[in-house]
Amino acid sequence: NAGVTQTPKFQVLKTGQSMTLQCAQDMNHNSMYWYRQDPGMGLRLIYYSASEGTTDKGEVPDGYNVSRLKKQNFLLGLESAAPSQTSVYFCASSYIAGSSYNEQFFGPGTRLTVL
Amino acid sequence: KQEVTQIPAALSVPEGENLVLNCSFTDSAIYNLQWFRQDPGKGLTSLLLIQSSQREQTSGRLNASLDKSSGRSTLYIAASQPGDSATYLCAVLLSGNTPLVFGKGTRLSVIA
Repeated sequence: NAGVTQTPKFQVLKTGQSMTLQCAQDMNHNSMYWYRQDPGMGLRLIYYSASEGTTDKGEVPDGYNVSRLKKQNFLLGLESAAPSQTSVYFCASSYIAGSSYNEQFFGPGTRLTVL
Repeated sequence: KQEVTQIPAALSVPEGENLVLNCSFTDSAIYNLQWFRQDPGKGLTSLLLIQSSQREQTSGRLNASLDKSSGRSTLYIAASQPGDSATYLCAVLLSGNTPLVFGKGTRLSVIA
């Protein structure tokens, strides 16, 4: 199993450009998450998806959009990138069923710089 | 609002020492608590998951305990090695499909 994979690993954008970060998991997990990690701020949740076709806002959703069309994929979009979105982005997934809440697995991250 | 605190923010110990990392949370009504390790420039690796009904979990030289009533968890690392150097994060799950709430981590350096 590849676990959670993210593409690209690195990206440099100019202010105003758009892009999509891709995340895939092969563990048949129903829940998927997007976080950003900034120095001194820790991990902050951007969006999450409890199941295919559903998404919910996290702590810092402004400037982002997401798509969960397939169970194994969760896409994070930046419509008009801003320097404040320079960060490391992590995707994660887990399996939640009824009262069973299992561990989250993380991808390797995407380092995004917005100039 | 659930808050997770990890103290100290950084810790340096000589190789071979046993050590304890601390995690505290404000709302004791949690479903589970997870400890992660993060190496520089890498993603998070899950170390241990403790369900709310459990008191501790062990994996190799790692032992994590959970005291819900006091809002505390500890990660015990036995016989530390330079390869244990990393940032350790704890995170709690409140309920259902609510997301994990993370602490800011403890950066551990084990000196050979």
